[in-house]
Amino acid sequence: DAGVTQSPTHLIKTRGQHVTLRCSPISGHKSVSWYQQVLGQGPQFIFQYYEKEERGRGNFPDRFSARQFPNYSSELNVNALLLGDSALYLCASTEGAEAFFGQGTRLTVV
Amino acid sequence: AQRVTQPEKLLSVFKGAPVELKCNYSYSGSPELFWYVQYSRQRLQLLLRHISRESIKGFTADLNKGETSFHLKKPFAQEEDSAMYYCAPDDQFYFGTGTSLTVIP
Repeated sequence: DAGVTQSPTHLIKTRGQHVTLRCSPISGHKSVSWYQQVLGQGPQFIFQYYEKEERGRGNFPDRFSARQFPNYSSELNVNALLLGDSALYLCASTEGAEAFFGQGTRLTVV
Repeated sequence: AQRVTQPEKLLSVFKGAPVELKCNYSYSGSPELFWYVQYSRQRLQLLLRHISRESIKGFTADLNKGETSFHLKKPFAQEEDSAMYYCAPDDQFYFGTGTSLTVIP
């Protein structure tokens, strides 16, 4: 098993554009969470999905949305990108109590 | 919401010295807390959880309900322990802000 995989690994976007980030959980894991990690800070919780239902939402604007597919993979969408959205976006899949993290997608907004 | 705080952003200790990374929680009930670690250029990974009462890589963490703390301890720090350490609550939504540990040779 490759673990949690995220794509793309790096991305550069212009202000105002839209971005879609993808995450494939570990096989058998039904829960996926998304975090934003700005340089020098801890992961900030964005969303959690379980069995395609949203189970939790952090303090992020409506420009951020996500969904989970029948195969438990997930997408994070961000509309109307701002410079401040530049960060490492982490996906984690959860089995029981432990969260397994992907390597992240480095998003740069210019 | 379940919240944890890590008061130290940076911590430096000499190799062989004891190390303690602090974490305090601010919610009631019977918390299940976690420590995650991120080594340089590696993904965030679970170090230990209090409910398992394990010692991982020489680290232990005891839940102190009286002090609402879950401090991470190691009696003799090693250079390879240098990393970012994050405390996390049960739901693992709101991680702590992290402590950067540097072990000086």
